[in-house]
Amino acid sequence: GQQLNQSPQSMFIQEGEDVSMNCTSSSIFNTWLWYKQDPGEGPVLLIALYKAGELTSNGRLTAQFGITRKDSFLNISASIPSDVGIYFCAGQLSGQGAQKLVFGQGTRLTINP
Amino acid sequence: SQTIHQWPATLVQPVGSPLSLECTVEGTSNPNLYWYRQAAGRGLQLLFYSVGIGQISSEVPQNLSASRPQDRQFILSSKKLLLSDSGFYLCAWTHHTEAFFGQGTRLTVV
Repeated sequence: GQQLNQSPQSMFIQEGEDVSMNCTSSSIFNTWLWYKQDPGEGPVLLIALYKAGELTSNGRLTAQFGITRKDSFLNISASIPSDVGIYFCAGQLSGQGAQKLVFGQGTRLTINP
Repeated sequence: SQTIHQWPATLVQPVGSPLSLECTVEGTSNPNLYWYRQAAGRGLQLLFYSVGIGQISSEVPQNLSASRPQDRQFILSSKKLLLSDSGFYLCAWTHHTEAFFGQGTRLTVV
């Protein structure tokens, strides 16, 4: 089936550093979503992107919907300890019914204080 | 506001035993409902989705089944659990194109 290639798989950074992660696919997406999952909990929606080229911010988080509609990135500025977790991208494929989302494999973020 | 409830939070079941996980959504009507499974440290795999009462679509062949007896109720079941059914199960509903998840059920089959 369709896949999202999310990278990097893991990141080890110092507190205060900026973070960047991205997702790419060979398929065209109508929507890109970014989620954060804390251990033992369900993913929580961070940012939703609906139009190619759209750049959206949510506090220290910024995400963009790629012009080709085949990629998206998420940036986190000035990381803090509570940013630790797994970040997932998800996309709704063009032409797919029932709003089925395809998820990336996740980026595990670890922050050293 | 809309909320999604999923239970139990954790479950340990012997191989061959039955399974029933329940998910309910409040504050919306006729939601699209989903069951995902997440293996340890991995991404989310879509198992089932439903666009209405009694309407179930399966994404992957497996030992599990799903049912939607009421508009806002989605149930994941198995008649006989396998060791490979262990994992973190997540229920979700969608509003337009955004999915909102329950807290998950950690299932360990022993």
